[in-house]
Amino acid sequence: GAGVSQTPSNKVTEKGKYVELRCDPISGHTALYWYRQSLGQGPEFLIYFQGTGAADDSGLPNDRFFAVRPEGSVSTLKIQRTERGDSAVYLCASSSDGMNTGELFFGEGSRLTVL
Amino acid sequence: RKEVEQDPGPFNVPEGATVAFNCTYSNSASQSFFWYRQDCRKEPKLLMSVYSSGNEDGRFTAQLNRASQYISLLIRDSKLSDSATYLCVVNWVSGSARQLTFGSGTQLTVLP
Repeated sequence: GAGVSQTPSNKVTEKGKYVELRCDPISGHTALYWYRQSLGQGPEFLIYFQGTGAADDSGLPNDRFFAVRPEGSVSTLKIQRTERGDSAVYLCASSSDGMNTGELFFGEGSRLTVL
Repeated sequence: RKEVEQDPGPFNVPEGATVAFNCTYSNSASQSFFWYRQDCRKEPKLLMSVYSSGNEDGRFTAQLNRASQYISLLIRDSKLSDSATYLCVVNWVSGSARQLTFGSGTQLTVLP
């Protein structure tokens, strides 16, 4: 499809495990964002890529979280030593103009559950 | 204090009613403003931008008051299909940093 694609759609893991979440943005979109959303809350900013570089990673909660976008398209969010508090829906979004119009196109999210 | 605060809701209104949502933001350097809509267990989608002069899109009207750091959304003649969570969103840019900051959302249920 032409939208933002995220995999897996659901991930259940045990505390302490390593997790990777993948995002395939809309073709041609140079800006890519990761957010996470907990129940009853709005999306919380994690990191923003412009091309291959992380232009703003101020939302990453700690050094267990890391994201890459090596070729300026697909991005992977990596979480080490997962904790129960990491359970949330991780949303990826892309845009063509780095937020100038405010329109981010979100994927359906990856629901992470840490037991 | 949260950067973007919204009415807690939920709002339950009958079809045809007019309903208004309010939002305040704390970062005076915020540059642009939006309302997003999120259906249950779905991703957020842009509803409309918010301009200082106020803007309208069909039954939806958005207003911005920069001096008071306040944003509003008015929905007229509510439809069942308007039932969703409405997210107030603020954008700020500083150098290479760009963030869309979302409020917690206000849940609307339109009742038949």
